[in-house]
Amino acid sequence: EVQLQQYGAELGKPGTSVKLSCKVSGYNIRSTYMHWVNQRPGKGLEWIGRIDPANGNTIYAEKFKSKATLTADTSSNTAYMQLSQLKSDDTAIYFCAMQATRVPGFAYWGQGTLVTVSS
Amino acid sequence: DIVMTQGALPNPVPSGESASITCQSSKSLLHSNGKTYLNWYLQRPGQSPQLLIYWMSTRASGVSDRFSGSGSGTDFTLKISSVEAEDVGVYYCQQFLEYPNTFGAGTKLELK
Repeated sequence: EVQLQQYGAELGKPGTSVKLSCKVSGYNIRSTYMHWVNQRPGKGLEWIGRIDPANGNTIYAEKFKSKATLTADTSSNTAYMQLSQLKSDDTAIYFCAMQATRVPGFAYWGQGTLVTVSS
Repeated sequence: DIVMTQGALPNPVPSGESASITCQSSKSLLHSNGKTYLNWYLQRPGQSPQLLIYWMSTRASGVSDRFSGSGSGTDFTLKISSVEAEDVGVYYCQQFLEYPNTFGAGTKLELK
């Protein structure tokens, strides 16, 4: 069974950074792309970016290019996203999501990490 | 960026009735390989989204055949036949043709 494990919550102060993790079991992340999506309180889904864990290549949505940094550790089968210069409107649930073989969509999702930015 | 625009549902939907959710893209999602890169997801309350449909009309693994997708290059419909309690939530369309993989704003389905 494929599982994407994320921590439930993170608290960050304005101006600081947080690093979120997404540990995958049951699937080798070298064989797929790992994506990150956010959801602000009461709002819809927003695609942040994706990483190819096999070579580290990344693509970001324009608005997240200076906000998010995606990395992956294939030895631990884990994807990471660092959010920098936190502001109150970065408060959101952040999901990692993964494509399955030959499926052009997010077949697998983590349960999400709620990031709260507050002093 | 490709803009995805979703229609509203005349909520609430009576249990057992069918419901159709529409989605439009600002650019054709038809690829040169003949496939249309449009996905549908359901996010139940308090849960992560679940992939329902990809390539506009292919059901994802384990998805009920009460869900069906159709459309053209820019206009799409998700039909849910015989709506049940477990179908309640917010439905999102997403284009997977190019980055950024944009989502629609979501369509809420409530049950009567």
